[in-house]
Amino acid sequence: GAGVSQSPSNKVTEKGKDVELRCDPISGHTALYWYRQSLGQGLEFLIYFQGNSAPDKSGLPSDRFSAERTGGSVSTLTIQRTQQEDSAVYLCASSLAMGPAGSYFGPGTRLTVT
Amino acid sequence: AQRVTQPEKLLSVFKGAPVELKCNYSYSGSPELFWYVQYSRQRLQLLLRHISRESIKGFTADLNKGETSFHLKKPFAQEEDSAMYYCALLTGANNLFFGTGTRLTVIP
Repeated sequence: GAGVSQSPSNKVTEKGKDVELRCDPISGHTALYWYRQSLGQGLEFLIYFQGNSAPDKSGLPSDRFSAERTGGSVSTLTIQRTQQEDSAVYLCASSLAMGPAGSYFGPGTRLTVT
Repeated sequence: AQRVTQPEKLLSVFKGAPVELKCNYSYSGSPELFWYVQYSRQRLQLLLRHISRESIKGFTADLNKGETSFHLKKPFAQEEDSAMYYCALLTGANNLFFGTGTRLTVIP
């Protein structure tokens, strides 16, 4: 593909429901990052993958958040029992090697919890 | 603790005027700083990094460790510079801390 893709582009869900957000990185990119951008906030680091492993989960805001990556490619961010404060744009980025600075970002998924 | 501060949420300048987007950081280690830009309906992308000491699209940014600043500057703003700009600090190997962003509007 031409770049990082994310799906869905928009998701509206009811409070308490679980949601899954998907990220398809650029083929061959070993590093993958998830960020969250809440209204009026900067981009907040959530989790980093190198291959299929997640050496840095320090940014996950609570145990309702989890992520996995399979085959060194697609990643899924899961939010269980969504809360209104989870409403945000969730961005995924991938890069060839360790280090996020040269990452390519996806278009984001806008999550709205009602 | 690390922190990136962009004090201006909104900044408007006239075309041809100089522009400076402010960024201050707080970090106990050796900082590596970046500017990212997001144009309307486009994806976030890297604009420049301090270690490269380069000028991209006429923009430059100098790391001032004494003032803990990494302000983004351009001598003559263009309409196409209108965008959201984020300053970011790399801590460790993998964690980019972003500021809250400044929306630059260049008035024709």
